[in-house]
Amino acid sequence: GQQLNQSPQSMFIQEGEDVSMNCTSSSIFNTWLWYKQDPGEGPVLLIALYKAGELTSNGRLTAQFGITRKDSFLNISASIPSDVGIYFCAGQGIIQGAQKLVFGQGTRLTINP
Amino acid sequence: DSGVTQTPKHLITATGQRVTLRCSPRSGDLSVYWYQQSLDQGLQFLIQYYNGEERAKGNILERFSAQQFPDLHSELNLSSLELGDSALYFCASGQSGPSTDTQYFGPGTRLTVL
Repeated sequence: GQQLNQSPQSMFIQEGEDVSMNCTSSSIFNTWLWYKQDPGEGPVLLIALYKAGELTSNGRLTAQFGITRKDSFLNISASIPSDVGIYFCAGQGIIQGAQKLVFGQGTRLTINP
Repeated sequence: DSGVTQTPKHLITATGQRVTLRCSPRSGDLSVYWYQQSLDQGLQFLIQYYNGEERAKGNILERFSAQQFPDLHSELNLSSLELGDSALYFCASGQSGPSTDTQYFGPGTRLTVL
């Protein structure tokens, strides 16, 4: 199925470092969502973006809805051990005539203490 | 806790069998979505129901079917199971606004087909 191009696929960082990941698509979306998934658990919504250019923060997390509506990024500042997990972006828009939510392949974040 | 519940949490069965996964959406949400997540893969959208009716279809096999009941809970039926059907199955719910729908995920059902 159609998916977003999410990068990087994995990141290995030191505790305290900042993290940046992004998603791009050839399709225009009207919503961008960022989720975090812990092993064996369901994705948990971190940030939702509804307007092009919107910049939203949730604690140490900041995400932006790209002006072109085809991309979004997520930044995590001053990473801590509990940030470990897989981060998924998701774009929502009209695809093949129907409202659909499309997920990126995920960014696996590993933090070295 | 997202407010979305799924049962069972784990399911182990044999090839050729049929199973039913259940999902209860968050209070007030009319939409239910089903996703499949295989090992080391992203989330694949299967199907969406809105207020009892099918609204969108993704990569759902013909051996799979779903329905949403009047109380808005949903069931995903998987039949003639194959080894490759082993995966995490997630349900998500949302309110399905006119142009957007933020989805909240349940904890998932891990299906193992032996």
